Amino acid sequence: GDSVTQMEGPVTLSEEAFLTINCTYTATGYPSLFWYVQYPGEGLQLLLKATKADDKGSNKGFEATYRKETTSFHLEKGSVQVSDSAVYFCALSGYSSASKIIFGSGTRLSIRP
Amino acid sequence: GAGVSQSPRYKVAKRGQDVALRCDPISGHVSLFWYQQALGQGPEFLTYFQNEAQLDKSGLPSDRFFAERPEGSVSTLKIQRTQQEDSAVYLCASSSTRVNEQFFGPGTRLTVL
Repeated sequence: GDSVTQMEGPVTLSEEAFLTINCTYTATGYPSLFWYVQYPGEGLQLLLKATKADDKGSNKGFEATYRKETTSFHLEKGSVQVSDSAVYFCALSGYSSASKIIFGSGTRLSIRP
Repeated sequence: GAGVSQSPRYKVAKRGQDVALRCDPISGHVSLFWYQQALGQGPEFLTYFQNEAQLDKSGLPSDRFFAERPEGSVSTLKIQRTQQEDSAVYLCASSSTRVNEQFFGPGTRLTVL
């Protein structure tokens, strides 16, 4: 069945460092890909998404490109801030609003001032 | 407008007790999903409703888990004879038919002693 594999954490970086969190997926058809973020004490929020190959999702300085040839959707940010400390989930779903989301296991990111 | 709300936010149950978890989706959202998130893991799909119809319950882990949405709005997830392995955060999400994006509630943290 469909699945998502993401980089295990925790990841600790200094402020202003470059961030990459790797994510690869296995799916039949053409899934939509997502990154969700869970800040401490808060609910799950959509960070960015891409719905077809070569699409780039971006938000709050984060970017991820849908790479069908490598079945990957790596999350990147050029300069992280302390406020980016959170748990990040890579996820996929089918094309319709009726499709369940399949999540990776999450990567905890901590940013040192 | 209001987002997805869930109640209670925290629930402690003794092993063998029945619990009921409530979800109020965003007004007008046709689709409603329940997920279970164990500690340190990504959310896992439990069940899906389109209006009042439960179209997919393939993720429910046992027949002790039951969900309903009788009027196509509020949903209740019921767990009978709770076990320690049921301890998790239960997330509810809703989406409209127009956009393939799920909006998540804050979750109910269930602890079974």
